Amino acid sequence: GESVGLHLPTLSVQEGDNSIINCAYSNSASDYFIWYKQESGKGPQFIIDIRSNMDKRQGQRVTVLLNKTVKHLSLQIAATQPGDSAVYFCAELQNAGNMLTFGGGTRLMVKP
Amino acid sequence: SAVISQKPSRDICQRGTSLTIQCQVDSQVTMMFWYRQQPGQSLTLIATANQGSEATYESGFVIDKFPISRPNLTFSTLTVSNMSPEDSSIYLCSVLVSYNEQFFGPGTRLTVL
Repeated sequence: GESVGLHLPTLSVQEGDNSIINCAYSNSASDYFIWYKQESGKGPQFIIDIRSNMDKRQGQRVTVLLNKTVKHLSLQIAATQPGDSAVYFCAELQNAGNMLTFGGGTRLMVKP
Repeated sequence: SAVISQKPSRDICQRGTSLTIQCQVDSQVTMMFWYRQQPGQSLTLIATANQGSEATYESGFVIDKFPISRPNLTFSTLTVSNMSPEDSSIYLCSVLVSYNEQFFGPGTRLTVL
């Protein structure tokens, strides 16, 4: 498949361990943040989102943390599985428009 | 949700030629977007495809290079004109279903020789 994340930072974790992927966003006016997962040969898929008036949101096996003070977003994946191997992007949305601005991305590799 | 398909899924083209990429959505959507993802990079918005009017281009992208059509609420095309190897990228169509739900197509992988 296509090597989407060939030149991106890589996080390598053991299967079953927890993963933490970090993202620094750029605009303090952004009011909505999303994490996307992109598997090889596919478009980005929505994982979880968080509004700027929250600092934590939990989904199934995933948690997103937002620190507006330092403009930092993180995605925590519990009990990481081989199927979690992908490139992960954070994106921010400003209420002035409907356009997403994507962060640089991190490639997650899960070792069996 | 929205199901998005793109054609072609991949192509290899000669420099100087043009390629038109199609995006089809299974439901009517107001907002459609075209993104570029260069090798090993994140996604960059090219333009917003507006139904019935000219597309809105982001800084660094122009209509002559990336003409876009949006004849109705379920379909859009992006043309990559006068291609050079630097245009080799994945081109992605996306749609906004609600304020916070943006779905992406599978992408078109373009290689320019």
